[in-house]
Amino acid sequence: EAQVTQNPRYLITVTGKKLTVTCSQNMNHEYMSWYRQDPGLGLRQIYYSMNVEVTDKGDVPEGYKVSRKEKRNFPLILESPSPNQTSLYFCASSSDLRTSAYNEQFFGPGTRLTVL
Amino acid sequence: KNEVEQSPQNLTAQEGEFITINCSYSVGISALHWLQQHPGGGIVSLFMLSSGKKKHGRLIATINIQEKHSSLHITASHPRDSAVYICAVTISGTYKYIFGTGTRLKVLA
Repeated sequence: EAQVTQNPRYLITVTGKKLTVTCSQNMNHEYMSWYRQDPGLGLRQIYYSMNVEVTDKGDVPEGYKVSRKEKRNFPLILESPSPNQTSLYFCASSSDLRTSAYNEQFFGPGTRLTVL
Repeated sequence: KNEVEQSPQNLTAQEGEFITINCSYSVGISALHWLQQHPGGGIVSLFMLSSGKKKHGRLIATINIQEKHSSLHITASHPRDSAVYICAVTISGTYKYIFGTGTRLKVLA
């Protein structure tokens, strides 16, 4: 089954404790992206990746890191989480946007993160 | 002011009603997307378009590039259509997405 998976689905942590949220897709997609969703603000793009070893900042990259060492995986790293990073996080993937802007994005199920 | 604005923010309809959700944007785009977020949180892509009109079942999406406006219509609405509908655009010349804040639709039986 074609899908985007994220782990963990729920996480409660404390300020300053490094964490990684994993994202994996099995559709051989080039484009992967991380978003956060907050009430009243909607979805906002954190980082995206056009392909292996190619990443770029979205609208709200501060406090986050990403890497794309393999095509299928795009982990989101919070090296020193703070309470303002409490949010619902979504990973998504699509075929190469350089060939078409019409490529449908497939979203993961979301990770609800609480930073105390 | 948000670069992607949706209206209304909330909408309650009776089953069978015709529903329209609007999206206006202020940036150059290469495509506009309509997404549906289910009450459980999952997000699915409904439409991608850069001109004209698309139809899928009871859903119709239109876009007017000159007016920088898109509409999502639901004909013969049903309680299972209850969800948050999100407009998103791919910014022209980039690979970035920006999103509206969503329209929460509730369809009553």
